[in-house]
Amino acid sequence: DIQMTQSPASLSASLEEIVTITCQPSQGIGNYLSWYQQKLGKSPQLLIHSATSLADGVPSRFSGSRSGTQYSLKINRLQVEDTGIYYCLQISSTWTFGGGTKLELK
Amino acid sequence: EVQLVESGGGLVQPGRSLKLSCVASGFTFNNYWMTWIRQAPGKGLEWVASITNTGGSTYYPDSVKGRFTISRDNAKSTLYLQMNSLRSEDTATYYCTRARGGLYLPHYFDYWGQGVMVTVSS
Repeated sequence: DIQMTQSPASLSASLEEIVTITCQPSQGIGNYLSWYQQKLGKSPQLLIHSATSLADGVPSRFSGSRSGTQYSLKINRLQVEDTGIYYCLQISSTWTFGGGTKLELK
Repeated sequence: EVQLVESGGGLVQPGRSLKLSCVASGFTFNNYWMTWIRQAPGKGLEWVASITNTGGSTYYPDSVKGRFTISRDNAKSTLYLQMNSLRSEDTATYYCTRARGGLYLPHYFDYWGQGVMVTVSS
């Protein structure tokens, strides 16, 4: 099974700062990677699918990119409501989530 | 508006069974694969089971294979998860999700229910 290495595990950033979270699969997965945000006590919500496509209704300050086998989620101009835990998800033969990144405001 | 509403959770003893339900609305249920995802308290997300839009094929990780069964009733727009031989490590919030994308296997989950808690304890 493919393993997903997500980093960092936690992150503290200031308002308006640019934040980047990365995921590295143990094998190639093409563009079959998505990103989710989970706010405290809530269900996860889809942010990005197909590595770079913004989900409906998601603010444009969120973006996804791929460089080789490394995938990144970028948040431009961090807002208060962006705090929470972020997960990546890959699909090869099974679905595997990254370990999560806890994002807090400094 | 797409809605997924789970029910059936609760406290159950180890070795016993429980069946979760998820009623879907706001979309054509029989056009989509569906999936259960779980999250143990304070932990990350784990894929639990997936089912094709017709119900003809199902998929499980090794951690639940042989104990859990996903099924659906397209006439009732309802997804199920039958959980047998429950263990303490199955304690989690279980989310019903709609699966999208991919030629052969969906690769993202665009709608999630509010989740239902299952606690396995004596």
